[in-house]
Amino acid sequence: EAQVTQNPRYLITVTGKKLTVTCSQNMNHEYMSWYRQDPGLGLRQIYYSMNVEVTDKGDVPEGYKVSRKEKRNFPLILESPSPNQTSLYFCASSLGTSPYNEQFFGPGTRLTVL
Amino acid sequence: QKEVEQNSGPLSVPEGAIASLNCTYSDRVSQSFFWYRQYSGKSPELIMSIYSNGDKEDGRFTAQLNKASQYVSLLIRDSQPSDSATYLCAVNKGYALNFGKGTSLLVTP
Repeated sequence: EAQVTQNPRYLITVTGKKLTVTCSQNMNHEYMSWYRQDPGLGLRQIYYSMNVEVTDKGDVPEGYKVSRKEKRNFPLILESPSPNQTSLYFCASSLGTSPYNEQFFGPGTRLTVL
Repeated sequence: QKEVEQNSGPLSVPEGAIASLNCTYSDRVSQSFFWYRQYSGKSPELIMSIYSNGDKEDGRFTAQLNKASQYVSLLIRDSQPSDSATYLCAVNKGYALNFGKGTSLLVTP
């Protein structure tokens, strides 16, 4: 089944404890992206990647890191999480980098930073 | 001016009616427009994409695009209670997508 997977789905952690949220797609998609969704603010892009080793900042990159060493994986790293990073996180991917390519979303990771 | 604007709702329609959801965008060079449906606590699910002026129909859904007015809409015919969700309008910004905050739709039996 073609899909985007994320792990973990739920995570409660404490301030300053480094964490990684994994994202993997099995559709050989070139483009991958991370979003966070907060009440009243909608979906905002954190980082995106147009191919292996090619990443760029989205609208809210502060406090996050990403890497794209393999085409299928795009992990999101929080080196020193803070409570304002408590949010619902989505990974998405699309076939190519054309503006016409549709993005497909993973199931989401609900992160709570205490 | 926000880049993608939607009324937050809730928009309430009776079962069987037509639901009309609207979206305006600010970037005149935008080329692609998408409607996603999101149930509470779930991930956005793509339901329609549109790239050219006019209407595009898929089952009970019709997307309408007017680039001159910078306006995108989604019509849902024969609305069902299962259509109750938040509908997100997304507009391309280069290689990325800008999302509106969504319109909450409630279909009442």
